[in-house]
Amino acid sequence: DTAVSQTPKYLVTQMGNDKSIKCEQNLGHDTMYWYKQDSKKFLKIMFSYNNKELIINETVPNRFSPKSPDKAHLNLHINSLELGDSAVYFCASSQGVQRGQYFGPGTRLTVT
Amino acid sequence: GIQVEQSPPDLILQEGANSTLRCNFSDSVNNLQWFHQNPWGQLINLFYIPSGTKQNGRLSATTVATERYSLLYISSSQTTDSGVYFCAVEETGGSYIPTFGRGTSLIVHP
Repeated sequence: DTAVSQTPKYLVTQMGNDKSIKCEQNLGHDTMYWYKQDSKKFLKIMFSYNNKELIINETVPNRFSPKSPDKAHLNLHINSLELGDSAVYFCASSQGVQRGQYFGPGTRLTVT
Repeated sequence: GIQVEQSPPDLILQEGANSTLRCNFSDSVNNLQWFHQNPWGQLINLFYIPSGTKQNGRLSATTVATERYSLLYISSSQTTDSGVYFCAVEETGGSYIPTFGRGTSLIVHP
């Protein structure tokens, strides 16, 4: 299936731990994104990569570090997790920066 | 930054009814998208529509960029249309930062 996939779908962890979320797209897109959706369903962009280069880096704590090993993958590593990091994290991709975006299924992160 | 307001915030319909969702934005944009988030959380791209009108089945969208609004029309609504509809814009100026509205939550009853 052509899609944007994320792993894991659910992630429950304790404060202070380090965790990673992986994202892969097989749509042949050159731009990938990470979004955070809070408990009130507000969606906010965190990062965007175009051809493996970081082009958007919104005001996000430096505990969050994206890594794009190639155009098809954009992973998110989070250090020293805090309670406020609990949210649903979505990966998305598009062909170019001004085109329709396609979202992954989301990763629900719960920090206890 | 650009402000995006969606209305109404909540909408309840009977199956078969038509509805119009609105997205107002405070500045000129070079990208506008409509998304549907279903009750299981999946976000689906409905339209990429920085200007003009597009139709896809029972859904259509119109963006009037000069007047800074976009409308999403849902005709003959079905229970599967339930969910949250988001509008997302990118402000003209090259930032490429999408800003989402707070969404319209739609419930369609059978």
